[in-house]
Amino acid sequence: GQQLNQSPQSMFIQEGEDVSMNCTSSSIFNTWLWYKQEPGEGPVLLIALYKAGELTSNGRLTAQFGITRKDSFLNISASIPSDVGIYFCAGRRGSNYQLIWGAGTKLIIKP
Amino acid sequence: EAEVAQSPRYKITEKSQAVAFWCDPISGHATLYWYRQILGQGPELLVQFQDESVVDDSQLPKDRFSAERLKGVDSTLKIQPAELGDSAMYLCASSLGSMLENEQFFGPGTRLTVL
Repeated sequence: GQQLNQSPQSMFIQEGEDVSMNCTSSSIFNTWLWYKQEPGEGPVLLIALYKAGELTSNGRLTAQFGITRKDSFLNISASIPSDVGIYFCAGRRGSNYQLIWGAGTKLIIKP
Repeated sequence: EAEVAQSPRYKITEKSQAVAFWCDPISGHATLYWYRQILGQGPELLVQFQDESVVDDSQLPKDRFSAERLKGVDSTLKIQPAELGDSAMYLCASSLGSMLENEQFFGPGTRLTVL
């Protein structure tokens, strides 16, 4: 099915570093969501964005709804070991309430 | 904290056998979703229920997959017969409704391995 372009595919970082990932599309979206999935578990909703330009934080996580409505960014500050997992973006277009998903960004923290 | 429950968590079966997965959504959530997730990919919607009615099953392989939500609460997804390519994580999610800002909350999933 249709997917969003999510990058990078994976990240290897040191504990304490800041992390940035993004999701882009050629189409306009009216909702952007960011989920985190740990091995063997279902995705957990982190942040939901509904307005172009919106900037929302959840602890050390900050996400933005791009002004063009075609992209979104997720930043994690001062990463810690429990941040390890796969981060998925998902979005909605027009009047269709179904979610379109990115392929995920795998975050690995080097010891 | 309310959660979506799924069982079993893991299922190993041989091809051509029948398998069934169960989901109990968060209390009061009218909309229920079944997704399939292949390793390294995002979830793919199989079927969406609003109460007991199917809203969208366009991606459900109806020759072998079936889903029901008879009383509009819990739901069962069945595969018969299972094929090797069905090995995946099957996720259930629920939301208050399908309108904007009624976001989906996921269960822990059922990991299916078909041998």
